[in-house]
Order: sequence, then structure tokens, then C-alpha cells
Amino acid sequence: GEDVEQSLFLSVREGDSSVINCTYTDSSSTYLYWYKQEPGAGLQLLTYIFSNMDMKQDQRLTVLLNKKDKHLSLRIADTQTGDSAIYFCAEATDKLIFGTGTRLQVFP
Amino acid sequence: EAGVVQSPRYKIIEKKQPVAFWCNPISGHNTLYWYRQNLGQGPELLIRYENEEAVDDSQLPKDRFSAERLKGVDSTLKIQPAELGDSAVYLCASSPTGSETQYFGPGTRLLVL
Repeated sequence: GEDVEQSLFLSVREGDSSVINCTYTDSSSTYLYWYKQEPGAGLQLLTYIFSNMDMKQDQRLTVLLNKKDKHLSLRIADTQTGDSAIYFCAEATDKLIFGTGTRLQVFP
Repeated sequence: EAGVVQSPRYKIIEKKQPVAFWCNPISGHNTLYWYRQNLGQGPELLIRYENEEAVDDSQLPKDRFSAERLKGVDSTLKIQPAELGDSAVYLCASSPTGSETQYFGPGTRLLVL
């Protein structure tokens, strides 16, 4: 069945790069998404990648997709305290399947 | 452009009471979704509408949950009667026709006592 997995926590120092990883199971996924959720808020769309791409860069965000290994990553360059949040990856098949989220904590 | 609007933002009720959530999608978005997000989990789809038609309600617990989108714009999600296990955040999302990219509202946080 469909399953999306993420590590639960990541802690980084301000100014360093953060890499959040995600694995998924459905090879028929068309798009893969990264959403950010701050406390008490809804999900904010950060970026997405089409399944026939292997990389997408958008300002401080870099998405890498390894379709063979069904592995997706989100790299945040120059991580700031405002980046502290929960990050969800999601695969799109006939619906969005979300991972359990990775809590990113940025310390000074 | 206004985002997805949801109300109320918070709701506390006693078990066995009814509760309703309201969603106004982004203007022009024909597809509307309701999700439930349990604590420490990602959102899970409850129902998806294309205009006023529910095209995927396979995950909606139909014994106590109902939803409607009468004019193909706003939608309401109802629980009657609520149970303790229904405590969660209920998220509404919308997307334009032909797009898989979904835009989320802030959610309604429900606590059932």
C-alpha cells in the first residue's frame, strides 16, 4: 500500500544547512510535495517536484528526487530560526499521502 | 488573493454533541478537500469534492460524519455525535481544476471532552 516515511526530529544550528529526508512507496506518484506547518497553523506549500525531474531549486530550498530508490529530500540552505516548524512530504497519486512530519528545531 | 478560510478556529464540545466546520476555498478552485490531522501525524483525506460532487469519500466515517458542498463553493463538515477520538485538527484544502497542488486553510482544532 501507500506509505510515506520521515524521520521525526532534526536539530541544526542557525546558518547551517538542513536536510530533511522522505521515502515513499508508490512508484506511480506524479508529484511530490513539501509542506511546512508552524504551531497552530495549517500547511503551507513550500515546493513540489514533478516525478520526471531529479532536482528543483527555489531560493534557499533544494529538492532532490531519487525515483529509483523512492527517496525525496529537502535541503534548506542558511537555516534560520524562522524555519523551525514541522515539515511534511507528500506523494500525489489519486490523492495526497502525507508522511508523519519532521520537526525541525533551529538553535542559535 | 485570499487563501482558504475556515471557521471556527477552535471548538471544544462534550462527547455526543454535534459539531460543524465551515470552509470557503480559494476563489475559482473547483476541487475541495477535507482532511483530519491527529496529533503527531500527517493529514489524512476524509472527502474530496469536484464542484458539488463528492468524488472520493471512501475514508469518511459515514455513521457519524457528513459533508456537503451545495453550490460548489463553500463546504461544511459535520460530526454527530462526536466521540472522544474525534479530537483532531480538521483541515480544508482547495485546488484549481486540473491541478494536483493543494492549498490549505488554517484548520479547526476540535477537542471533545
